[in-house]
Amino acid sequence: EVQLVESGGGLVQPGRSLKLSCAASGFTFSDYNMAWVRQAPTKGLEWVASISYGGSNTHYGDSVKGRFTISRDNAKSTLYLQMDSLRSEDTATYYCAREVFDYWGQGVMVTVSS
Amino acid sequence: DIQMTQSPSFLSASVGDRVTINCKASQNINRYLNWYQQKLGEAPKLLIYNANSLQTGIPSRFSGSGSGTDFTLTISSLQPEDVATYFCLQHNSWPTFGAGTKLELK
Repeated sequence: EVQLVESGGGLVQPGRSLKLSCAASGFTFSDYNMAWVRQAPTKGLEWVASISYGGSNTHYGDSVKGRFTISRDNAKSTLYLQMDSLRSEDTATYYCAREVFDYWGQGVMVTVSS
Repeated sequence: DIQMTQSPSFLSASVGDRVTINCKASQNINRYLNWYQQKLGEAPKLLIYNANSLQTGIPSRFSGSGSGTDFTLTISSLQPEDVATYFCLQHNSWPTFGAGTKLELK
């Protein structure tokens, strides 16, 4: 059974950093491009970033470019999202997903507030 | 970016009703359109991929149609367990999403 489990969320002050993790199981992690998607409270879904299966290619949405970094450790079957210079508008539930968007995690909440 | 306009935002229907939800893309996305169901506190579940292909394990009352810019998700006979929010995703280019349709029982 494919499982994606996010962790690392919480309350953080504006301007600070936070790193999310997504532990994958039930499939060969290194065969898949992966992605992060977020949903702000009462808002729609927004694609955040994607990474190729080997980790060499990354792409970011305009709202996070230069502040967020997506990475992966295929030996650990884990996807990461390093979030720096956080803003109040980054407050959202963050989901990891296979980039074919067939399986998603349950999400982790990030709140940016002083 | 490709904009996805989803309608309606809210939908109230009775058990057994036929329900349709629409997504319109701001430009041609061929058939690169998925439909999802999301229940409160749960991960989104893929229902339909590439406009009209039923994901494994999804009941046959769910179907998708369309191509180009106009797409429809149909539930042929609404069941109580179908109460959820539904959204579309285009993956013809950098992914963008519809705003969602909240489906309730009348």
